[in-house]
Amino acid sequence: DAGITQSPRHKVTETGTPVTLRCHQTENHRYMYWYRQDPGHGLRLIHYSYGVKDTDKGEVSDGYSVSRSKTEDFLLTLESATSSQTSVYFCAINREGGYTQYFGPGTRLTVL
Amino acid sequence: AQSVSQHNHHVILSEAASLELGCNYSYGGTVNLFWYVQYPGQHLQLLLKYFSGDPLVKGIKGFEAEFIKSKFSFNLRKPSVQWSDTAEYFCAVGPRYSGGGADGLTFGKGTHLIIQP
Repeated sequence: DAGITQSPRHKVTETGTPVTLRCHQTENHRYMYWYRQDPGHGLRLIHYSYGVKDTDKGEVSDGYSVSRSKTEDFLLTLESATSSQTSVYFCAINREGGYTQYFGPGTRLTVL
Repeated sequence: AQSVSQHNHHVILSEAASLELGCNYSYGGTVNLFWYVQYPGQHLQLLLKYFSGDPLVKGIKGFEAEFIKSKFSFNLRKPSVQWSDTAEYFCAVGPRYSGGGADGLTFGKGTHLIIQP
């Protein structure tokens, strides 16, 4: 257990509404990541952070933004949710000086 | 850009059968390699990893993987599977930088393994 929590764990929302997912870690790790998991696609990187206020885009960043104002929290925002963003979202951390990523429990998001 | 290819999307085996799941990657530099497992309804858990050294690595629950650099492969094996191995298996690759990794991992599409009692 890497001390990662995600909230909410499940959410149903409507097209066009804003949605924010939260990833919280308790171990003060520098690197944090957001992935989405879809059948037939595996996991794909959305955004990642290498420190407070330092973020970068991943493979599938369109339609998503992130913020990291504190080391322990990494927020993923869908400014205007679309049905194509229905997915399971996983947060991950990478311990300092290491390469292995550890994953949170996931958030299942359904956009109607 | 990196890419990861997992050859088998669905595998069905009987208990005690041997398992081999294929994984090939494409990347121009030095990489770290991982296998993750996702049991039904759960998050991803690290099964094993390879950074350097002995190309045959052992992980949890009797799994092992062999890195063959010339073939850009990192195949997962288990000599005798159990019903509890039913899960989704993901191969992943990440670039290796000095001082630790920062970039995200690139995952294969996964292999859904079903073990029949």
